[in-house]
Amino acid sequence: NAGVTQTPKFQVLKTGQSMTLQCAQDMNHNSMYWYRQDPGMGLRLIYYSASEGTTDKGEVPNGYNVSRLNKREFSLRLESAAPSQTSVYFCASSGTTGGSETQYFGPGTRLLVL
Amino acid sequence: GDSVTQMEGPVTLSEEAFLTINCTYTATGYPSLFWYVQYPGEGLQLLLKATKADDKGSNKGFEATYRKETTSFHLEKGSVQVSDSAVYFCALRGYNQGGKLIFGQGTELSVKP
Repeated sequence: NAGVTQTPKFQVLKTGQSMTLQCAQDMNHNSMYWYRQDPGMGLRLIYYSASEGTTDKGEVPNGYNVSRLNKREFSLRLESAAPSQTSVYFCASSGTTGGSETQYFGPGTRLLVL
Repeated sequence: GDSVTQMEGPVTLSEEAFLTINCTYTATGYPSLFWYVQYPGEGLQLLLKATKADDKGSNKGFEATYRKETTSFHLEKGSVQVSDSAVYFCALRGYNQGGKLIFGQGTELSVKP
């Protein structure tokens, strides 16, 4: 079982370039999430999708868009990258959005914006 | 809004020492509480969780008790190993907040032989 997979593992962009981070899960989970991790700030939620066909903003959505392509896949797009978006991005999934449901995380994408 | 505060790191211990990582939270209602661990170069993994007051979560020798009166969920282990070196995150899921997790800033633990 692969769990949650993310591509690419590492990316360097120039300011103003665009890119899409891909995430897929094979656990038949309904809910998927995108977080960013910055030093000293823990993880912050960018967007989430409670189920196929729905997406909602998290704590730090500005500068990002998402697409829930199907139940398995949830992509994160940076339309015009900025140095402030240099971070490590994690995708996660869970069976439901409620209670004590465990979120499973991918290995992360390390993004550097010059 | 809801928030989580963890003790600052890095924490450096010798093998077999006792570990405590403090975590306190602010939330309305009755949140669920979690500890996640991140090993170098990897994503986060659930370490343990507790869903109501006085619940104790435990896994791999780690324990944490949900204390509503002190709004705390401190992580403890009686005897750490070098393999426990990682970053530990405390997190909460607020009542009626869907699946959204609020994380603390993380505490880096380094265990020396």
